[in-house]
Amino acid sequence: AQSVAQPEDQVNVAEGNPLTVKCTYSVSGNPYLFWYVQYPNRGLQFLLKYITGDNLVKGSYGFEAEFNKSQTSFHLKKPSALVSDSALYFCAVRDRNTGGFKTIFGAGTRLFVKA
Amino acid sequence: NAGVTQTPKFQVLKTGQSMTLQCAQDMNHEYMSWYRQDPGMGLRLIHYSVGAGITDQGEVPNGYNVSRSTTEDFPLRLLSAAPSQTSVYFCASKGGNSGNTIYFGEGSWLTVV
Repeated sequence: AQSVAQPEDQVNVAEGNPLTVKCTYSVSGNPYLFWYVQYPNRGLQFLLKYITGDNLVKGSYGFEAEFNKSQTSFHLKKPSALVSDSALYFCAVRDRNTGGFKTIFGAGTRLFVKA
Repeated sequence: NAGVTQTPKFQVLKTGQSMTLQCAQDMNHEYMSWYRQDPGMGLRLIHYSVGAGITDQGEVPNGYNVSRSTTEDFPLRLLSAAPSQTSVYFCASKGGNSGNTIYFGEGSWLTVV
């Protein structure tokens, strides 16, 4: 069975500092991995995804994530946080052998960036 | 390009009432789905469709019906609303390749009193 864990309900960082939002996953096969961001009263917006190839994936707004197969992790990172990065972040996993909509989302991590 | 469009944005229902949440996408995507978002629980899949005329159940299908008569539209029907169905509902779509990104609508906030 697929599962996604985001161990932190909330992450607080100061503007200009690096940020990390953690995600670990469990799938029976090889995963597709995604990060989405949700701003208040809006839908989820795609940030980045890992499909294959380089383990370091770069996405929108300066975010990046590193796929670590041995640790089954896909942590989201940004070198220098902005106040405007404050939002709810979701990690998602899809077993590439199931295709379609067998995509499991984590519970979300709320990021607060203080000025 | 409008993407995924949901209506209504906000709705208040009385227990026992029925209603339909509308969803349309203009990207010619094969896959469409409905999720509900509840605090601390992330997004849970209600129903999904892999193409016109084909639907299937997700994690939490009870109390909801769907149909897919066209590629563009995927309405979600609440048959007899219950307070437990108070939630935010998101429609989403995806192109055919299994690695493709899911695109979400803006959400529908539903309160059942």
